[in-house]
Amino acid sequence: GDSVTQKQGQVTLSEDDFLFINCTYSTTTYPTLFWYVQYPGQGPQLLLKVTTANNKGISRGFEATYDKGTTSFHLQKASVQESDSAVYFCALVDGGGSNAKLTFGKGTKLSVKS
Amino acid sequence: EAAVTQSPRSKVAVTGGKVTLSCHQTNNHDYMYWYRQDTGHGLRLIHYSYVADSTEKGDIPDGYKASRPSQENFSLILELASLSQTAVYFCASSMTGGAGNTLYFGEGSRLIVV
Repeated sequence: GDSVTQKQGQVTLSEDDFLFINCTYSTTTYPTLFWYVQYPGQGPQLLLKVTTANNKGISRGFEATYDKGTTSFHLQKASVQESDSAVYFCALVDGGGSNAKLTFGKGTKLSVKS
Repeated sequence: EAAVTQSPRSKVAVTGGKVTLSCHQTNNHDYMYWYRQDTGHGLRLIHYSYVADSTEKGDIPDGYKASRPSQENFSLILELASLSQTAVYFCASSMTGGAGNTLYFGEGSRLIVV
């Protein structure tokens, strides 16, 4: 079945640092890839969606692209702020029809120190 | 105004007892989901539904039942709660399934089984 691997469990940065979080995925079809963000005390919410390899998704200063050759999907931001502290999940949906489901990674907890 | 509301937000249950977690959405979405969040495991799908009076098993359905009496309401039922079911549970809704779906999550229900 489909799987998503997020190895970075926790990342600690200072304000204005560069953020890079990587995911790898395994699927037999053509995936749509997502990044969800969960702020403390809230449910996850969609941050970005990328439907085609090598295309870029951009939202709130975050960028994401995926590489079909290396089956990797990364999230980056040039300059993080304390307000970006949250848990970031990568997720994928395979191309398998209307009942295909999201598969989530384990999440990366980002802590940004001022 | 929250579009996906969960109740209760927090509950302590006794081992072997019955627990019902409720979810109500005002998004007019056909799809609803129950996820479980545990540290180190990310979000895992328990049950989902794409039409009233019908539910489908997700990736970890054992020990859980689901009920979808109407488009707006989706419940998760633990008939015999166990210690291993201590977790945070999230309900979500989406307009469609498959690659087009953006999930809208509630704020979560924290369940502690003692």
